[in-house]
Amino acid sequence: KQEVTQIPAALSVPEGENLVLNCSFTDSAIYNLQWFRQDPGKGLTSLLLIQSSQREQTSGRLNASLDKSSGRSTLYIAASQPGDSATYLCAVKSDYGGSQGNLIFGKGTKLSVKP
Amino acid sequence: KAGVTQTPRYLIKTRGQQVTLSCSPISGHRSVSWYQQTPGQGLQFLFEYFSETQRNKGNFPGRFSGRQFSNSRSEMNVSTLELGDSALYLCASSPTGTRDTIYFGEGSWLTVV
Repeated sequence: KQEVTQIPAALSVPEGENLVLNCSFTDSAIYNLQWFRQDPGKGLTSLLLIQSSQREQTSGRLNASLDKSSGRSTLYIAASQPGDSATYLCAVKSDYGGSQGNLIFGKGTKLSVKP
Repeated sequence: KAGVTQTPRYLIKTRGQQVTLSCSPISGHRSVSWYQQTPGQGLQFLFEYFSETQRNKGNFPGRFSGRQFSNSRSEMNVSTLELGDSALYLCASSPTGTRDTIYFGEGSWLTVV
């Protein structure tokens, strides 16, 4: 059974700092991994999608990496800003052979960027 | 392009009642999935529909059901509501539900009293 863990559960950093959020999963048979952002009381906003054959994806100040063999992904945020404060969730889509596996989420990392 | 739209956004129901939530996916998306989010359990998968057929189902009791219409719009229904059903219900859509990016709506906040 696939399990996704995110460490730390909460993180507070000063503005301008570069930071890394971690995600680990127990079963390396995945189709892809997706990072989301969730603001309080809101839905999820997709940040980056990494297919199982890829090693990393970049979008602006965000860079996500994937190491399938070790069951790890990291989300790197450069030059953090107060507007980056949110909960960050990673989710994996497992490869059940039929490509219809659902997303399995971690519990998230709550990020607070102090001005 | 409009995003995933969920209605209603907020609702309060009494234990024992039933509720229907609606989701309009992004235009052209044929896969719609539903998730329940609670503080204790996090995000849990309910079910996924593709071309009006339930393709995948999570580990929830039969009180939770859904359907998808020919225009890809989807509804989920919860019957005989329990206090523990209080949660944020999120709908997500993607073009095929396989390797695509999945987009979420703002969710429907359900409170059962």
